[in-house]
Amino acid sequence: SAVISQKPSRDICQRGTSLTIQCQVDSQVTMMFWYRQQPGQSLTLIATANQGSEATYESGFVIDKFPISRPNLTFSTLTVSNMSPEDSSIYLCSVVSTGEGYEQYFGPGTRLTVT
Amino acid sequence: GEDVEQSLFLSVREGDSSVINCTYTDSSSTYLYWYKQEPGAGLQLLTYIFSNMDMKQDQRLTVLLNKKDKHLSLRIADTQTGDSAIYFCAERRGSTLGRLYFGRGTQLTVWP
Repeated sequence: SAVISQKPSRDICQRGTSLTIQCQVDSQVTMMFWYRQQPGQSLTLIATANQGSEATYESGFVIDKFPISRPNLTFSTLTVSNMSPEDSSIYLCSVVSTGEGYEQYFGPGTRLTVT
Repeated sequence: GEDVEQSLFLSVREGDSSVINCTYTDSSSTYLYWYKQEPGAGLQLLTYIFSNMDMKQDQRLTVLLNKKDKHLSLRIADTQTGDSAIYFCAERRGSTLGRLYFGRGTQLTVWP
């Protein structure tokens, strides 16, 4: 299984500011995924990050609001821009293994509160 | 709708079996997963089942899959207080890697 770390683990931010979340994986992976878990809700995929190309965003998510970087095969960042209280969520980084079950692993998450 | 459905709460006594149910949406889903989320922690992959299987057992965990009814269940035998957590089922539709569709999670509370 992959070991995924995220920084910061939590933060409290002011409305209108931006926060960059870092994700580090212990092995090289082609794709990395960013999910959001709003309070009491299920997880929703924000975007897929491939090294060397622009991220692919899901419906309802845009690059201006959630810019993503993928400088190498073990690292990615997600920025939450111009934050509002509605952005208060847990943001999780994820990777997929190439094993038979295509097991998907998640980082510990970044708990963001916007005031 | 397109939602994966789960009941929100389940309470059991320590030592009993827990059964967490899930209804998924896409009959062509290839893999179905169960995750556990403890307070303040990320998601831990518990187990998964391929769509051509009816059952999978892994120690205290048994997954049952009814493709006809698109129903998935997770049975935890001899439930312990440490099993108290939120359990999510998720489906992978088609061949797209990385995009999982999650239920809202079932809060399992185990009473001593």
